[in-house]
Amino acid sequence: GNSVTQMEGPVTLSEEAFLTINCTYTATGYPSLFWYVQYPGEGLQLLLKATKADDKGSNKGFEATYRKETTSFHLEKGSVQVSDSAVYFCARGPSGNTGKLIFGQGTTLQVKP
Amino acid sequence: DTGVSQDPRHKITKRGQNVTFRCDPISEHNRLYWYRQTLGQGPEFLTYFQNEAQLEKSRLLSDRFSAERPKGSFSTLEIQRTEQGDSAMYLCASSLELVVRGAETQYFGPGTRLLVL
Repeated sequence: GNSVTQMEGPVTLSEEAFLTINCTYTATGYPSLFWYVQYPGEGLQLLLKATKADDKGSNKGFEATYRKETTSFHLEKGSVQVSDSAVYFCARGPSGNTGKLIFGQGTTLQVKP
Repeated sequence: DTGVSQDPRHKITKRGQNVTFRCDPISEHNRLYWYRQTLGQGPEFLTYFQNEAQLEKSRLLSDRFSAERPKGSFSTLEIQRTEQGDSAMYLCASSLELVVRGAETQYFGPGTRLLVL
């Protein structure tokens, strides 16, 4: 099938801790992969993306590498801040002619001072 | 701000009433998408347009739902005879079709939160 699976939350970390949020996908072909972030009370914002195998997307200290062999796109950050507290969504882009994104269920990150 | 805008931001209605939401995409974007997000879940695709053509509809889009994009710019999503199960956040996104298929980025609006009593 076509799906995206994220690790369940909430993830609670202390400030400056290392973050990993796991994401795996199933798809036919090689879709683009995305991480979106939703801060409290706000809409979805694109955090980073990768469009082909071995690409690394990065933004605001976050990184994710498109791993074709493990069908994964794990999100990492070396040192989280309180302001990173949000819900993070992994998504895969369209395969074939469809334009839709397929989202994971979201992972809530809480960073404590 | 020239991002995606949605109106209204919140809507409370009684079961059985009709509601209509509007989405204004980023001006040069030719693709427009509607998603639905329920609490604790990721957005689920409903439908999308390329210019004024509706190219795909999800099974989630029952016959009570209809979407239009008459001039290839703004779009409306109407729900007829609302049910309590329709309560959700309705998200609109837009993108610019790229030569490399699937590489486009969808930009989301703030959403319309619907509560059906």
